Amino acid sequence: AQSVTQLGSHVSVSEGALVLLRCNYSSSVPPYLFWYVQYPNQGLQLLLKYTTGATLVKGINGFEAEFKKSETSFHLTKPSAHMSDAAEYFCAVRPFPLQGAQKLVFGQGTRLTINP
Amino acid sequence: GAGVSQSPSNKVTEKGKDVELRCDPISGHTALYWYRQRLGQGLEFLIYFQGNSAPDKSGLPSDRFSAERTGESVSTLTIQRTQQEDSAVYLCASSSQPLDEQYFGPGTRLTVT
Repeated sequence: AQSVTQLGSHVSVSEGALVLLRCNYSSSVPPYLFWYVQYPNQGLQLLLKYTTGATLVKGINGFEAEFKKSETSFHLTKPSAHMSDAAEYFCAVRPFPLQGAQKLVFGQGTRLTINP
Repeated sequence: GAGVSQSPSNKVTEKGKDVELRCDPISGHTALYWYRQRLGQGLEFLIYFQGNSAPDKSGLPSDRFSAERTGESVSTLTIQRTQQEDSAVYLCASSSQPLDEQYFGPGTRLTVT
């Protein structure tokens, strides 16, 4: 079965510093990959996704992620953290084969804290 | 337009009671999903509805859990004889087509005492 591992349940960075949130998946066939953000008392919002094509994917709010097949990773980065980035971040995969794979498999989440 | 809405936002219930959680998807979205988010964990898939097709119930943890959807509108998730381990945030999502982006509601926080 597919699984997603997010390294670090809590990450703390200073405002203006690089944000790096790690995600690894287990699959012999590259799945579709997603990053979601959850602000307090709100639903999950899609940050970015990788399906096919360019392995560096740009999303909203200055975030980007790079799909690395050899490392089975899809780490999320942002060059300069902003206070408003404080939230919970979830990595998710849609397994192959796509037929019947409507459900998403989520990682445990990483809570990002931004220090002033 | 309006997003996915869920009610109630919070529910506290006594062990053994039944609860019903409601999800209003985005209008026109044919696909609807329920997930459960336990404290400190990721989301677990529960059930998926697509149009008038038979739902995918493969994620329901026990026969105490059931869900219904009327056409392509409202869905209700029912938990019978609640247990403390049912305490979690229950999230609903909808998408315009099965493989399209899923839009999530704010969730219902269920606490079983």
